[in-house]
Amino acid sequence: GPKVLQIPSHQIIDMGQMVTLNCDPVSNHLYFYWYKQILGQQMEFLVNFYNGKVMEKSKLFKDQFSVERPDGSYFTLKIQPTALEDSAVYFCASRFRGPNTEVFFGKGTRLTVV
Amino acid sequence: GDSVTQTEGLVTVTEGLPVMLNCTYQTAYSDVAFFWYVQYLNEAPKLLLRSSTDNKRTEHQGFHATLHKSSSSFHLQKSSVQLSDSALYYCALSRGTGNYKYVFGAGTRLKVIA
Repeated sequence: GPKVLQIPSHQIIDMGQMVTLNCDPVSNHLYFYWYKQILGQQMEFLVNFYNGKVMEKSKLFKDQFSVERPDGSYFTLKIQPTALEDSAVYFCASRFRGPNTEVFFGKGTRLTVV
Repeated sequence: GDSVTQTEGLVTVTEGLPVMLNCTYQTAYSDVAFFWYVQYLNEAPKLLLRSSTDNKRTEHQGFHATLHKSSSSFHLQKSSVQLSDSALYYCALSRGTGNYKYVFGAGTRLKVIA
């Protein structure tokens, strides 16, 4: 079935540094999402993105966060600078158009800020 | 705004017994679809079942749910759980217009014991 690829699967980074999480969504999908999941806790919405724009973001989407998808390439989540509380698994998801369409998730990137 | 409320925390059930995971929602929109996603340990969430038709039962992998718009509910049920059903279950709704936001509940962890 359709796959969302996330690169890398694990990332360890020093606090204060910049990190970019990459997501290769399903090819014909139009809507893109990032979710954050701290170990053992629920998955929480960060942002959704459509037609080159952020449609909605949550309070977790701090000013240090940004997303983009230049020229239909990777959908990226950038954190600059990183903080210890950014340590979590970040899931990318994508979907096609329509209310009944399924969201496809990647396997996540485990980010550890040290 | 749209919201989804699920049975909180952990539900523990003995293998072979039935289970129901509650999901209720609030939305002012009619063009809405409803989903259950399952997340096994260290994996990405994936679709379990979906519905947008009132009072119609939908089934998959032994689980079933019926959307009841009169009570704003979409509870997940299984008549006989297995150890392999232990996972995190998310209820979600999606609007078909506007920003196509996907709203997830907080998740319910199901633990099946022998």
